[in-house]
Amino acid sequence: DSGVTQTPKHLITATGQRVTLRCSPRSGDLSVYWYQQSLDQGLQFLIQYYNGEERAKGNILERFSAQQFPDLHSELNLSSLELGDSALYFCASSVGGTGGTDTQYFGPGTRLTVL
Amino acid sequence: KNEVEQSPQNLTAQEGEFITINCSYSVGISALHWLQQHPGGGIVSLFMLSSGKKKHGRLIATINIQEKHSSLHITASHPRDSAVYICAVSLFIGTDKLIFGTGTRLQVFP
Repeated sequence: DSGVTQTPKHLITATGQRVTLRCSPRSGDLSVYWYQQSLDQGLQFLIQYYNGEERAKGNILERFSAQQFPDLHSELNLSSLELGDSALYFCASSVGGTGGTDTQYFGPGTRLTVL
Repeated sequence: KNEVEQSPQNLTAQEGEFITINCSYSVGISALHWLQQHPGGGIVSLFMLSSGKKKHGRLIATINIQEKHSSLHITASHPRDSAVYICAVSLFIGTDKLIFGTGTRLQVFP
């Protein structure tokens, strides 16, 4: 158990809908990262928050947004869902803001299926 | 060409064999990570390296910064080592973004 929790574990929804994925980092970790893993693209970095502020941005679509709250949990919002958004979404956390040289601890993931 | 390349893509082994998975990258990095993803989907961070060699149990990771190459070795492999092993790098320019390889699927048979 990494100490990172994600809810829900599975989500099935229809095209055009909006969903929210939630992540609670390990106790004491200030950074939260979101990743998408699809069959054709592999793992891709979406976005990082550090202590409530956006720190780094990757290949995140405009239809997607995220935030980190004062209690450090984070939410990833996906809207106007398309079939291609079906994927595993992972959250990870690390102690500091330099995730490149910090160990990242991954949550169990949320499997999103868009029908 | 991907910035992070792994080989082989698939690997099968008999229990007890010594296994090597390779990772090459084409960019300047501040660190390289080895991750393990089990069939259930969960991801575990195995190593984070910026130079030299690290060992944890039967796992050994090495990196050669000049050659932009890293290897993950598994000694005395066991069926429970069956998983996908993913190499990821964080860029030298200091961003926290990780760039991932496509992974190596390892199956160890008894």
